[in-house]
Amino acid sequence: AIRMTQSPSSFSASTGDRVTITCRASQGISSYLAWYQQKPGKAPKLLIYAASTLQSGVPSRFSGSGSGTDFTLTISCLQSEDFATYYCQQYYSYPPWTFGQGTKVEIK
Amino acid sequence: QVQLVQSGAEVKKPGASVKVSCKASGYTFTGYYMHWVRQAPGQGLEWMGWINPNSGGTNYAQKFQGRVTMTRDTSISTAYMELSRLRSDDTAVYYCAREGPRSSGWYRLPGYWGQGTLVTVSS
Repeated sequence: AIRMTQSPSSFSASTGDRVTITCRASQGISSYLAWYQQKPGKAPKLLIYAASTLQSGVPSRFSGSGSGTDFTLTISCLQSEDFATYYCQQYYSYPPWTFGQGTKVEIK
Repeated sequence: QVQLVQSGAEVKKPGASVKVSCKASGYTFTGYYMHWVRQAPGQGLEWMGWINPNSGGTNYAQKFQGRVTMTRDTSISTAYMELSRLRSDDTAVYYCAREGPRSSGWYRLPGYWGQGTLVTVSS
């Protein structure tokens, strides 16, 4: 199975900051990469698919980039509602779906 | 609108089995695979497998082969996930999830999720 590795595992940031989360695949996955946001006690929410396409209704401060093995999720101006855990997921080769271990964005 | 409503929390003893249900509405139940994903406390997301509600065919993650059984009842648009020989490390929230519309770019992705079912395994 393809392994997904995110970095960092967690970090603190302030409202208004620009933040970047990295996801690396153990082998090339073209652009078959999605990002999810999860808040405590809630199911994950799809933010971005095809590495850079914003899901309907997702604010434009979120963006994604990359292809092959290296990907990034950027939040251009962090808002209070963005403090959450973010997961990447590959769907190039499935089953199985495989997810990164998550990146928790905390308030500084 | 697509809705997936799961059954309530369960507490089980080690060695027992648990069966979680996922009732679908707002779409043709047999038209989309239903996936199951679990999340242990404080941990990440782990895909368990899928069921094709139309045929009943399944595909399980290797880790759960022999312990998981996914079934469905098309008459009530409900999918089930049964996990047997429970261990303490099976304590997790279990989610059902449906792929996006075939016409969308997010087909093959879990775009619709149930609310989750907490299964606690404890003696």
